[in-house]
Amino acid sequence: QQPVQSPQAVILREGEDAVINCSSSKALYSVHWYRQKHGEAPVFLMILLKGGEQKGHDKISASFNEKKQQSSLYLTASQLSYSGTYFCGTEAEDNAGNMLTFGGGTRLMVKP
Amino acid sequence: DVKVTQSSRYLVKRTGEKVFLECVQDMDHENMFWYRQDPGLGLRLIYFSYDVKMKEKGDIPEGYSVSREKKERFSLILESASTNQTSMYLCASSRPTETDNYEQYFGPGTRLTVT
Repeated sequence: QQPVQSPQAVILREGEDAVINCSSSKALYSVHWYRQKHGEAPVFLMILLKGGEQKGHDKISASFNEKKQQSSLYLTASQLSYSGTYFCGTEAEDNAGNMLTFGGGTRLMVKP
Repeated sequence: DVKVTQSSRYLVKRTGEKVFLECVQDMDHENMFWYRQDPGLGLRLIYFSYDVKMKEKGDIPEGYSVSREKKERFSLILESASTNQTSMYLCASSRPTETDNYEQYFGPGTRLTVT
């Protein structure tokens, strides 16, 4: 079963913040976040492992609530370059090792 | 820089044709993956391989097969293409999950249209 991402789309003005959520019905070992710009390949952002570890770089960070099997991606002070589609990929505890199941994606558009 | 290349960016095939999609990575990655991407459905895993000649079914393997004869090359085969296989196909590679960094590196994609 695919994880559920919300919202499906969001429009921001430069400098605004956004949160993208990813929920799974399965017990998770890890959550991966990727961003895909239009016409390009998805690019890795970060991995969060079981343990509730929060990660981040620059103004993009993420958290993983293993009890709720949810992860959230936080984009603060958004820039035009943040536009794209964000995917979470989940690695289930009972199938850990190599295989990710991706969500449907969240389309983010940042306007000047 | 990790590089994952796919044989074609665009491909048009007729129903019933046998279709080969090729993927090559240059980082000596053990794992390779084939996904299809459709609007609203995200990336769905078709097959993956964790070693030469090894393959595992993903979430939607029906109608597809794969071949991995060499570590750097992973092929996706549509034995008899159908219109519902019109999609964007993405290949990816990664190190094993036992390593610290096992993020997936994606190729540019092949947009396949079956008419």
